[in-house]
Order: sequence, then C-alpha cells, then structure tokens
Amino acid sequence: GAGVSQSPSNKVTEKGKDVELRCDPISGHTALYWYRQSLGQGLEFLIYFQGNSAPDKSGLPSDRFSAERTGGSVSTLTIQRTQQEDSAVYLCASSTLARVDGYTFGSGTRLTVV
Amino acid sequence: SQQGEEDPQALSIQEGENATMNCSYKTSINNLQWYRQNSGRGLVHLILIRSNEREKHSGRLRVTLDTSKKSSSLLITASRAADTASYFCASDQGAQKLVFGQGTRLTINP
Repeated sequence: GAGVSQSPSNKVTEKGKDVELRCDPISGHTALYWYRQSLGQGLEFLIYFQGNSAPDKSGLPSDRFSAERTGGSVSTLTIQRTQQEDSAVYLCASSTLARVDGYTFGSGTRLTVV
Repeated sequence: SQQGEEDPQALSIQEGENATMNCSYKTSINNLQWYRQNSGRGLVHLILIRSNEREKHSGRLRVTLDTSKKSSSLLITASRAADTASYFCASDQGAQKLVFGQGTRLTINP
C-alpha cells in the first residue's frame, strides 16, 4: 500500500480483556517497529522485526505483551489482561533495511483501558 | 534510559519568526533524524543527518549535528501556522531501532 495502515484507530476496552492491534506496513519494507506513546510523552520502543530474523523484544514492558509478524508483512501486537497503565497510542512504523529515508509511521491506535 | 532530551519542551513564537529546537543524545550514533507529529498521531520524517555531516538543509529546515557534544538542532525559518506540531529527534545508535527524544511542542501564533 501507499502507507502504513493501522487498525483499529481507536479501541476502548475493559480492564482485564485482551486486545489485538494490527499493522500493515509498506510493501517491500523489511523492517517493522512498534512504539508506544503515552499522553504528552516521547516514543517508547516495544519490538522490532527484520525479515526472517528473530525479533528484538527488548522493549516489551511485561509478558502480557506479545507481537508476531506473519509472512514478513502484517504484524499484530497483542496485549493480554489489559491494565489502565496500558492506555496509550500504539504506533507502528516500517522501513527499508538501510533506513536511509527514516521510518514511515502509521496513524496509530489509541488504546483506552477503562 | 537511552532516550535523548529535547529542549525546550514547549516553544511559542509569532508567525514569520524562526524556531530553534535542540536535542541531546547519549551514545555514538550512525545518524540523527527529526520527525514532526500533528495531533498526537503518526510521525512524519523530516530530515536525516549522518554522523559525518555537520549541517543539512531541506527547504525551510536546517539541521546541525555536533557529535563531540552529542547534540543536534533543528531550525525552522519563516515559520507558518501549519508548522504548529510536536517535533522529535531520533538517534540511530546502530541497534536497529531509533531512540526518540521527549519532543518539543511548537506553537506558531498568527
């Protein structure tokens, strides 16, 4: 596609429920990243996928968070047993391996846990 | 934390004035990038400066990099109302992922 697509745009969920956030990167971009941004804050790295290599999960805040990338394309970020502190905007980005043009970000998913 | 710092946190200027934002980072880098974010959603890549470059221009944007001080600055000249946004620096530290600063919230007053 022309850009990075994320869905849903907004998600309101009850505390304790599981949520899945989807990211569809730019075709041909081998690198995919998930970041989290709390209100008025900077971006917190969560996880990075590159081709068929093992993902860099070093930013995942707890074992309630997991992500997968199927077929080197679409990625899903799953948060189990959501907590109120999980409320944030979850941003996905993709890039070429060389990253010469920086990242292309999606519009994000605003997650609200009530 | 590996995150960089940006200063000021917020900047408000009159339309037509120049805006300068500063960024500091903590480790050696391959390159440093600046992004703009409108309304708390997706970021847009503005400019990338490599570690062996000292200054780069793109339209009304001028970026400088001082690797000895581990700092960068973004200058927006002749500001416009449409420049109102948050601006983030991001350092490529060679670990395959960018490390973002906390951002500067820029307001251009008509």
